[in-house]
Amino acid sequence: EAGVTQFPSHSVIEKGQTVTLRCDPISGHDNLYWYRRVMGKEIKFLLHFVKESKQDESGMPNNRFLAERTGGTYSTLKVQPAELEDSGVYFCASSQGGFKTQYFGPGTRLLVL
Amino acid sequence: AQSVSQHNHHVILSEAASLELGCNYSYGGTVNLFWYVQYPGQHLQLLLKYFSGDPLVKGIKGFEAEFIKSKFSFNLRKPSVQWSDTAEYFCAVNPSNTDKLIFGTGTRLQVFP
Repeated sequence: EAGVTQFPSHSVIEKGQTVTLRCDPISGHDNLYWYRRVMGKEIKFLLHFVKESKQDESGMPNNRFLAERTGGTYSTLKVQPAELEDSGVYFCASSQGGFKTQYFGPGTRLLVL
Repeated sequence: AQSVSQHNHHVILSEAASLELGCNYSYGGTVNLFWYVQYPGQHLQLLLKYFSGDPLVKGIKGFEAEFIKSKFSFNLRKPSVQWSDTAEYFCAVNPSNTDKLIFGTGTRLQVFP
């Protein structure tokens, strides 16, 4: 069974540009989460989808971040326009409905110059 | 605010030494507890978890953790570390009224042969 996959693995962009990160959860997992780790800090929750609906987006830093989950399958996280402080590693995780164990992807390392 | 503290940021040990990594959380209600590990170049993997029952939990690769409710702690232990245990270790708490994980800042473990 394939794990959680994320694309791209790395992205380097300039301030003001747009970047879109993609996450493919484990097949059959209704829950999909986005987290972010800024260098030297803890991994922080951004938002949680149940199927295609946003269950909790309390961790989204501001309206420059837009997350979508089309048809309850893969998810995208768009940052527009990117700022320097958006640099970090963006993790995606998924879990089965009703189960609390989250399985993480390899992360996307974003660097905003 | 809910938070997780990992007391040791960087631990250096020789092979066969014993390991204990501290984790304390601030949340008064019921919690689910996790330790994740990230080996160099790899993604976050679940090491062990506690939901209920026996507070001493055994995980993969000889790791165990003990939940002490009165101390709000979930310390990770291994009696004899190996060079292959070199990794970053993350404690995470899931308050029962949410689905998100709250992470500590991580502990980087280096084991020398």
